Amino acid sequence: GESVGLHLPTLSVQEGDNSIINCAYSNSASDYFIWYKQESGKGPQFIIDIRSNMDKRQGQRVTVLLNKTVKHLSLQIAATQPGDSAVYFCAEKLNRDDKIIFGKGTRLHILP
Amino acid sequence: NAGVTQTPKFQVLKTGQSMTLQCAQDMNHEYMSWYRQDPGMGLRLIHYSVGAGITDQGEVPNGYNVSRSTTEDFPLRLLSAAPSQTSVYFCASSVLGGNGYTFGSGTRLTVV
Repeated sequence: GESVGLHLPTLSVQEGDNSIINCAYSNSASDYFIWYKQESGKGPQFIIDIRSNMDKRQGQRVTVLLNKTVKHLSLQIAATQPGDSAVYFCAEKLNRDDKIIFGKGTRLHILP
Repeated sequence: NAGVTQTPKFQVLKTGQSMTLQCAQDMNHEYMSWYRQDPGMGLRLIHYSVGAGITDQGEVPNGYNVSRSTTEDFPLRLLSAAPSQTSVYFCASSVLGGNGYTFGSGTRLTVV
């Protein structure tokens, strides 16, 4: 069945370093892979998405990489800042039914 | 433009009671959905709707009902609350085919 999971539940990164958050997925039929950020006490916020026929997509300070061979997705955050402290979810979507299925999340801690 | 508004923010119910969680959006989004978030489980899709008069089940629909009589509103009903329904509930909306859901701030529900 569909499932999206994460390798690490918690990641600690020094402020200013780059962060890499990983995600494994199992549904090869997904059309999009998406990253969301959830700050404490708030709802998730969309960060960036990547279509299944792409390998890489860049946004502002963020890059998403998709490796379909090993069914792996990663989110890279450049020059991590205190405001990046949050839980990050990967998610997947099939266009045919318009619903998004979320993984379990990784908590990113920023060390001063 | 308020985005997605959820009420109430907090609620305590006794086992067997019923209640409705309200969700309203003012962005004219066709797609709306309800998720529940439990520790270590990420966000799980309860029900979703691609337009007024259309609803469908997600991953964990049992114990919940929804209706979509207008584009703006998508209430979630618990007919007979159970302790297993203790969770944080999020409503989200987007344009059809969009990956950038707008989430509400959540309703924290405790069933005793």
